[in-house]
Order: sequence, then structure tokens, then C-alpha cells
Amino acid sequence: DVKVTQSSRYLVKRTGEKVFLECVQDMDHENMFWYRQDPGLGLRLIYFSYDVKMKEKGDIPEGYSVSREKKERFSLILESASTNQTSMYLCASSLFRGLYTFGSGTRLTVV
Amino acid sequence: AQSVTQPDIHITVSEGASLELRCNYSYGATPYLFWYVQSPGQGLQLLLKYFSGDTLVQGIKGFEAEFKRSQSSFNLRKPSVHWSDAAEYFCAVGAPGNTGKLIFGQGTTLQVKP
Repeated sequence: DVKVTQSSRYLVKRTGEKVFLECVQDMDHENMFWYRQDPGLGLRLIYFSYDVKMKEKGDIPEGYSVSREKKERFSLILESASTNQTSMYLCASSLFRGLYTFGSGTRLTVV
Repeated sequence: AQSVTQPDIHITVSEGASLELRCNYSYGATPYLFWYVQSPGQGLQLLLKYFSGDTLVQGIKGFEAEFKRSQSSFNLRKPSVHWSDAAEYFCAVGAPGNTGKLIFGQGTTLQVKP
């Protein structure tokens, strides 16, 4: 089974901190995605990557950046965390369109 | 722009009753359509998918969905709900191009009464 591992299940950070969320997949998938999940809003795409060092903005990239130096790892960076970035963050990888494998999520609280 | 609407935020059904979760999409061409389920405290898991062909698709855990092009719908059904089906359900459509992006609906939370 493909596994997508998110490094932290829960995180609490202070406003203004730089925050790194890590995601690793073990199945050589080309595509990786970062979504945030908020009640009533579903999942919204922040960034995605279709190859090493390649990235594209999703629907809500403001305040975020990403890094993909190796195929298996896709990092989401909050440059200066704010309280409105308190959310559940979900990473996914995909070999073929739409067939995602999701990680368990990181619940981030910014205080 | 592509979008997905799940009109029901919460649904409560009795165990053993039938279930239908609604999903409507806006898309200019033949879409790729998906249903994912998120159990409490877990990531999302693929229930079923529609790419082409037979408009009635079968998934895991006894779920099925029907693609109706004329109604722009992809409703999820199960004939008899089990308590373990309590979860949040997301409908999604594949975005145009070859990026593999998905556009998700808002989600429907299913509660199952004993």
C-alpha cells in the first residue's frame, strides 16, 4: 500500500513563526498536493507539484510556499504564521489523475 | 469555473436505512468524478470513481454512485447503512488538463442512529 506520512499530527505555533509541514510518500508518485480543510468549506488546494522542483499555485496560495527537492518529499511552509491559518492540513500524492492517497493530516493551531 | 456542490451539510439516517448523498458539479466537458470518505481522525479514503463508460459505478464498503450527465450529478448511494459508515463524505471532480488536481465539495457529515 502507498503510504503518505505527515510528520506531525498536532502542532501549536505562535503568530509570526515560520512553520514547516512535512509530507513524505513511499511510492514514487509524480504528483503531490497540499490542501487545507475547514468546516463548511471542504478541501481547498494550496499548492501542488508534478515533479521535483516543479510547483504550481492552487486556489489559496497566499501566505504559503512549498518545497520539493526530492520526489518523495513535499513541504508546506507558512512564512509568518497567522491565526487565520489555523486549520487541518492534508497532504496527498497521486500517480494518476484523481486517485489520491492522503496522509492523516496535521492539525495546526496558531496562537 | 469548475465547482462541486454538496447541498446537504449534515444527514442523519437510522442504521439499516438507505442512504443517498447528493453531489452536483459544474464542468465544461466529461468530468472525472470521485467520492472520498473521511472517518473521524483519519485522512481521506477513495470510495469510488467515474472516468467513463457505465454510469453506475460500484465502490468499496457497499457504496455505489450514478453519473447523470443531464443533471450534472454524481449521487452516492448505499442500500443499508451501518453504524461504521458515520463519517464525512466528499465529492470531487478532476480539474481540466493533466495536472491531476481535484476540486472538492464542501462535504456531507453522515450521522447514523442506532
